[in-house]
Amino acid sequence: AQSVTQLGSHVSVSEGALVLLRCNYSSSVPPYLFWYVQYPNQGLQLLLKYTSAATLVKGINGFEAEFKKSETSFHLTKPSAHMSDAAEYFCAVSDQTGANNLFFGTGTRLTVIP
Amino acid sequence: SAVISQKPSRDICQRGTSLTIQCQVDSQVTMMFWYRQQPGQSLTLIATANQGSEATYESGFVIDKFPISRPNLTFSTLTVSNMSPEDSSIYLCSVEYREETQYFGPGTRLLVL
Repeated sequence: AQSVTQLGSHVSVSEGALVLLRCNYSSSVPPYLFWYVQYPNQGLQLLLKYTSAATLVKGINGFEAEFKKSETSFHLTKPSAHMSDAAEYFCAVSDQTGANNLFFGTGTRLTVIP
Repeated sequence: SAVISQKPSRDICQRGTSLTIQCQVDSQVTMMFWYRQQPGQSLTLIATANQGSEATYESGFVIDKFPISRPNLTFSTLTVSNMSPEDSSIYLCSVEYREETQYFGPGTRLLVL
């Protein structure tokens, strides 16, 4: 069975500071891992995904995430936060039989302080 | 990625009534999904809808409460029946479209009074 733990339901950073959102997964099989972003009053937008290719994955809007099997982690980072990054971020995991079995974390709300 | 639209985008309903939410995608897809996002919480899968077969419901969700239609490869509906205030949520549809990835619609924001 797959599961995801997102540490920190709320994260605040100053504009221009590093963004680090943590995600740890549990999976009995090699996983697919995803980060989605939800802006206020909108649906979910795919930021990036890991599907067993390169362990460092680059996504949209300057975000990237690194798959670390030894740590069972898939943390999301961005070198310099922008005000427009304020949103809810969800980490999700599926097994490699397909994305139909997608398990979401509880989400992290990112606040960017001017 | 696939472009997904949902109607209505939001609604306010009275308890005891039903609301049907539509999901339209611009490409033919085999698998469509319906999720519920209760206030301040993460997403919970309601059911998987494949064209030509009955929807598969997750534990805690039943067809009588959340009937789903999937008449073709680009369209699905979810009905929230006999609503109560506890049904106030965001309802999202998604599709699996290429590369084992789900893409989401903008959601339907439902408030039940």
